[in-house]
Amino acid sequence: SQQGEEDPQALSIQEGENATMNCSYKTSINNLQWYRQNSGRGLVHLILIRSNEREKHSGRLRVTLDTSKKSSSLLITASRAADTASYFCATDAGGTSYGKLTFGQGTILTVHP
Amino acid sequence: DGGITQSPKYLFRKEGQNVTLSCEQNLNHDAMYWYRQDPGQGLRLIYYSQIVNDFQKGDIAEGYSVSREKKESFPLTVTSAQKNPTAFYLCASRRVGIYGYTFGSGTRLTVV
Repeated sequence: SQQGEEDPQALSIQEGENATMNCSYKTSINNLQWYRQNSGRGLVHLILIRSNEREKHSGRLRVTLDTSKKSSSLLITASRAADTASYFCATDAGGTSYGKLTFGQGTILTVHP
Repeated sequence: DGGITQSPKYLFRKEGQNVTLSCEQNLNHDAMYWYRQDPGQGLRLIYYSQIVNDFQKGDIAEGYSVSREKKESFPLTVTSAQKNPTAFYLCASRRVGIYGYTFGSGTRLTVV
């Protein structure tokens, strides 16, 4: 079952602009994670935010989590052509599902030089 | 350098054949996972293992089998019962606690 739904499905921006991707989910979570995938490659873990956290930063990445709305957003500031990739949110429901991630369908980000 | 290695990178399967995808990690991670990714789709969980000699079915386990005889290794067999096996297969591992996954670089399986 797909827990996360990402929006938009595709995003095209110019270098230097900010990129915002959104993720909505259906059930309560222990934590939410964002991953990046370059074409034909494995996924790379970007950032993890726990259910009791509202915002987290890592370099040019900013993640927010609103558990009341069951949604999260990933902001990439001052984007670069090298940021071009697919971005996935993944939820960990915890409990008996602890450690088992459910992935969304992803947002394809294209950054034009 | 520690990491997770999947092999082969490309695999071709004839109808009716079983094939085994290899996944090895030297990160000393306890948990390992197999996901399937279809074009333009997210990842779907096939099997996972939290500890040696134990594994559980994920959302789409039918037609697949796994073993976890060693902490480092979690091979996936795609059996002839899997009717639509053409996909990109990703193996991942995770250490105990609230941490993200480390992924391998994937195996692309094609039925010929």
